[in-house]
Amino acid sequence: DTAVSQTPKYLVTQMGNDKSIKCEQNLGHDTMYWYKQDSKKFLKIMFSYNNKELIINETVPNRFSPKSPDKAHLNLHINSLELGDSAVYFCASSPFPRGPYGYTFGSGTRLTVV
Amino acid sequence: AQKITQTQPGMFVQEKEAVTLDCTYDTSDQSYGLFWYKQPSSGEMIFLIYQGSYDEQNATEGRYSLNFQKARKSANLVISASQLGDSAMYFCAMREMWYGGSQGNLIFGKGTKLSVKP
Repeated sequence: DTAVSQTPKYLVTQMGNDKSIKCEQNLGHDTMYWYKQDSKKFLKIMFSYNNKELIINETVPNRFSPKSPDKAHLNLHINSLELGDSAVYFCASSPFPRGPYGYTFGSGTRLTVV
Repeated sequence: AQKITQTQPGMFVQEKEAVTLDCTYDTSDQSYGLFWYKQPSSGEMIFLIYQGSYDEQNATEGRYSLNFQKARKSANLVISASQLGDSAMYFCAMREMWYGGSQGNLIFGKGTKLSVKP
C-alpha cells in the first residue's frame, strides 16, 4: 500500500491548458503539502492544509488552486498553464503542522508544458 | 528567518569510503528539527535521518550518522562505507518545532549531488 500516492506521475500538456494533480495519503496524517521542485532541484513550499484548512499559502500565481475535500486528499489544479510551470510537483504529508515529524512524500508529478 | 545552506553542489567519493555532506542552518527558534533526505535519479524523496535540537546524542541510522554541532549551527551527514547505490541528491532540511516565527513547514537546502565511483 502506497502511503502517499500522486497521480499522474507524468503530465505533458500544451500552454494554456488546465490540469489537475491528485494526492491521497493513507497514513492518517493531519497535514498535507504541495512543494515545487524546479530545474535546479530546489524544493519550495507552495501550499499546506491541516485537516482540510489552508494554513500555508506561499506567493504562487493565482492560476494554482489547491483543494482538500478531506484530510486524506489534497489536489492541485493549475489553470492556463505556462512554460515556466514545468517542474516536478511533490505532495507530502506530516502527522501535524508542527513538531518533530518529517514528511512522507509522494513519488512526484513531472509536469512538462510545451 | 530560517535558512539552510549546503555549499557543496557536487561531491565524489570512492566506493567503500566515508563521505561528509555539509549543512549549516540559521534559526532564531530554540526548538527545531534537522532532517536529511535522499533523492535518487528515479526522483522519489527518501527520509534518511533526524536530529532534534535538544537531542544530546548525534543521530545514527545504519550507515548514516548526523554530526550535529549546535554552537556552529551545522548538521553534516556522514555516510560510511559508500555504495554505488548512494549516488543521489541529498537534501538537508529544517523545521521549527513549536513557537517559532515560521509556519512550521520543512525548508530545504539546495542539495548536494553525490557520485560514488567504483
